[in-house]
Amino acid sequence: TQLLEQSPQFLSIQEGENLTVYCNSSSVFSSLQWYRQEPGEGPVLLVTVVTGGEVKKLKRLTFQFGDARKDSSLHITAAQPGDTGLYLCYGIGTSYGKLTFGQGTILTVHP
Amino acid sequence: DTAVSQTPKYLVTQMGNDKSIKCEQNLGHDTMYWYKQDSKKFLKIMFSYNNKELIINETVPNRFSPKSPDKAHLNLHINSLELGDSAVYFCASSQSPGANVLTFGAGSRLTVL
Repeated sequence: TQLLEQSPQFLSIQEGENLTVYCNSSSVFSSLQWYRQEPGEGPVLLVTVVTGGEVKKLKRLTFQFGDARKDSSLHITAAQPGDTGLYLCYGIGTSYGKLTFGQGTILTVHP
Repeated sequence: DTAVSQTPKYLVTQMGNDKSIKCEQNLGHDTMYWYKQDSKKFLKIMFSYNNKELIINETVPNRFSPKSPDKAHLNLHINSLELGDSAVYFCASSQSPGANVLTFGAGSRLTVL
């Protein structure tokens, strides 16, 4: 299984601040997904990035896939308390069956 | 209707017991998965089935045995439960193996005393 290093593990910020979460690997991924998980629920897909250098925006969330398809970032602008949750990156490897979640980032946004 | 439903949501049991968690999806997906989420929130794949056939079997103790009677169901049976088995177990499904969206159930929290 290809390893995905996700950082930071914990993030506690005030409403209105910006933040970035990173996912890094030494391996190439064919695509990468970001999921958000709320307490008591399963993860829900936010976005899939496929092409190296790709940037996708979802309202205040900006997702980027590295040029070499080994890393990705999630940037949240003007965070809201509703953004609170566990954010997970998920790498789909170039070899069949190599599916990896990052360790997760627990984000808390205080009003 | 819940897309991926798993039961029970909570399970508290003694060490050494045997327990099962059931999962059903009504999305028409071919592929189903079991994941284990530990106390640090790390999600680790355990098994994956595609059309009732086992395709991913990560390093998991033999005490864990998945069963897929049809492509809409994937159950997980655990024998001789140990303290370290305490975790949240998530069932998920996708249209096909690999590069598709995962739809997760709400999780089953297993506590072994």
